[in-house]
Amino acid sequence: AQSVSQHNHHVILSEAASLELGCNYSYGGTVNLFWYVQYPGQHLQLLLKYFSGDPLVKGIKGFEAEFIKSKFSFNLRKPSVQWSDTAEYFCAVNAMDSSYKLIFGSGTRLLVRP
Amino acid sequence: GAVVSQHPSWVICKSGTSVKIECRSLDFQATTMFWYRQFPKQSLMLMATSNEGSKATYEQGVEKDKFLINHASLTLSTLTVTSAHPEDSSFYICSAEDANEADTQYFGPGTRLTVL
Repeated sequence: AQSVSQHNHHVILSEAASLELGCNYSYGGTVNLFWYVQYPGQHLQLLLKYFSGDPLVKGIKGFEAEFIKSKFSFNLRKPSVQWSDTAEYFCAVNAMDSSYKLIFGSGTRLLVRP
Repeated sequence: GAVVSQHPSWVICKSGTSVKIECRSLDFQATTMFWYRQFPKQSLMLMATSNEGSKATYEQGVEKDKFLINHASLTLSTLTVTSAHPEDSSFYICSAEDANEADTQYFGPGTRLTVL
């Protein structure tokens, strides 16, 4: 079945460590890709998105993501995490194959230790 | 910009009663709004797509007569859970798509519904 996969369910890092969260999707054709973040007790916020153009996308708070079409991936990265990055991160995709409905991955809980 | 609000943030009701949840786009017009349900420790599941001035489109397995959606204006959509049962207890989240920013959804803070 077509889906969005986030393989890391829980990630624990120390401050200043580098972060990479994986996201793979199985939709063909044109896709729009998103990363959302949900801080504890808060609503989902858009971190970044990719529609077309430069496959390396820069978002808010120092996050970036790279679209690799051949790998059907859109991994999220940050070179140096902070305690305030503790949150749940969701990858999402809308595609022609999904009638452009936003399909979410299962989420990755990131805990950054001070 | 792109702020979406939901009201109430939480609600407790008795089994058999109906509950209405409001979703508002505060600083933009939203021709399309979406309603999601999030189970504990799980991701968001789309329930329905709400278009201003027309009937909502429900996802497979979502009862349209139980989850009534009204999108009366470009800034307001409502979800009414009718004859609520304990299994309807969940976290309901709405999102809105800015008419000027296609394919990008902005999310509300969610409503925690507990049915006793």
